[in-house]
Amino acid sequence: AQSVTQLDSHVSVSEGTPVLLRCNYSSSYSPSLFWYVQHPNKGLQLLLKYTSAATLVKGINGFEAEFKKSETSFHLTKPSAHMSDAAEYFCVVPLSGSARQLTFGSGTQLTVLP
Amino acid sequence: ETGVTQSPTHLIKTRGQQVTLRCSSQSGHNTVSWYQQALGQGPQFIFQYYREEENGRGNFPPRFSGLQFPNYSSELNVNALELDDSALYLCASSGRDRGRYEQYFGPGTRLTVT
Repeated sequence: AQSVTQLDSHVSVSEGTPVLLRCNYSSSYSPSLFWYVQHPNKGLQLLLKYTSAATLVKGINGFEAEFKKSETSFHLTKPSAHMSDAAEYFCVVPLSGSARQLTFGSGTQLTVLP
Repeated sequence: ETGVTQSPTHLIKTRGQQVTLRCSSQSGHNTVSWYQQALGQGPQFIFQYYREEENGRGNFPPRFSGLQFPNYSSELNVNALELDDSALYLCASSGRDRGRYEQYFGPGTRLTVT
């Protein structure tokens, strides 16, 4: 069965420094993978998606992620953090089957320090 | 903004009561999924409705039930509320027929059971 593991529950960076949020996936084939962001007291927003068209995926707000099959990873990066990036980030995989329900990782809380 | 709306925003109920939460899907989407997000956790899939039929269900008891209407809006009903039902309930819509499975989330309904 497909699943995702987010390796860090909390990440803290200074404004203007790079961001790296780590996600490993488990699947017997190349899955679709998503990153969602959740700001405090708000719903979830789709940041980017991987659907096997290209291994480097660019998303909104300067985020990107690279699908690495050899490492079973889909890490989220951003070259320069902004204060507004502070939020909870979820790595997500849609399960196989009719509903394609989303299975969420445990989340990574990103703190951006001034 | 995803175009997915949910009502009410907040709700306080007493243990044993029943509650109905509502969701309007994004224009052009025919599939609605419901998720429960407990405090500090990632969302958990409750069930999905596609063209007014339940299309998949997560590990939730039968007292969680739903409906989808011809305009693709949806309701989530929870009977015999328990304290552990306190959570953020998220609705997500998607355009399943187009073969695209990313889901777009509403802002959620915060349910508190006392």
